[in-house]
Amino acid sequence: QKEVEQDPGPLSVPEGAIVSLNCTYSNSAFQYFMWYRQYSRKGPELLMYTYSSGNKEDGRFTAQVDKSSKYISLFIRDSQPSDSATYLCAMQGGSEKLVFGKGTKLTVNP
Amino acid sequence: DVKVTQSSRYLVKRTGEKVFLECVQDMDHENMFWYRQDPGLGLRLIYFSYDVKMKEKGDIPEGYSVSREKKERFSLILESASTNQTSMYLCASSLPQGPPYEQYFGPGTRLTVT
Repeated sequence: QKEVEQDPGPLSVPEGAIVSLNCTYSNSAFQYFMWYRQYSRKGPELLMYTYSSGNKEDGRFTAQVDKSSKYISLFIRDSQPSDSATYLCAMQGGSEKLVFGKGTKLTVNP
Repeated sequence: DVKVTQSSRYLVKRTGEKVFLECVQDMDHENMFWYRQDPGLGLRLIYFSYDVKMKEKGDIPEGYSVSREKKERFSLILESASTNQTSMYLCASSLPQGPPYEQYFGPGTRLTVT
């Protein structure tokens, strides 16, 4: 079993839709859960991170972590064409290294 | 603003050539990383360095080596390039203070080996 599993999609939604992106993981040592956004032909950039279980909101973005289920989610409300990108979940626990999911490619159609 | 730059955006090399990929960061970060990114496989860690002249193997170090002579510069070396090393290569850096140890990425080098 891979440490981090993420459905690669692709996911295509109309503008204004609510988007749900998810990852599951197997390593109980993970404490920090991050979402990176990667536009085409660019490097990933950190969108937001959450420590342990709970929710975190930043504008139209909400990150959720359920450690009991080893499941994390990123919700995007009122999605915009500018949100079209690949979203990578990443996890960290006990070292400086990040373990990444494979990324989900999202397209928001005008 | 943290800036991580990579020497080339696109590179085409022949099989058997020695290839150098350079990465420079301007924020005095101790930790630096090299990844490759392939469709369906995601980001995979090749090597990382937590200080000058210090390095540690990642998940897929075979066929690669690294050099870190100065804090701001981390080089990835393909000793004898092969076609299966055609990929997007991403460099990242992070501060040692954490957690979390947020990583800042460069724009990537798309390497094609023919």
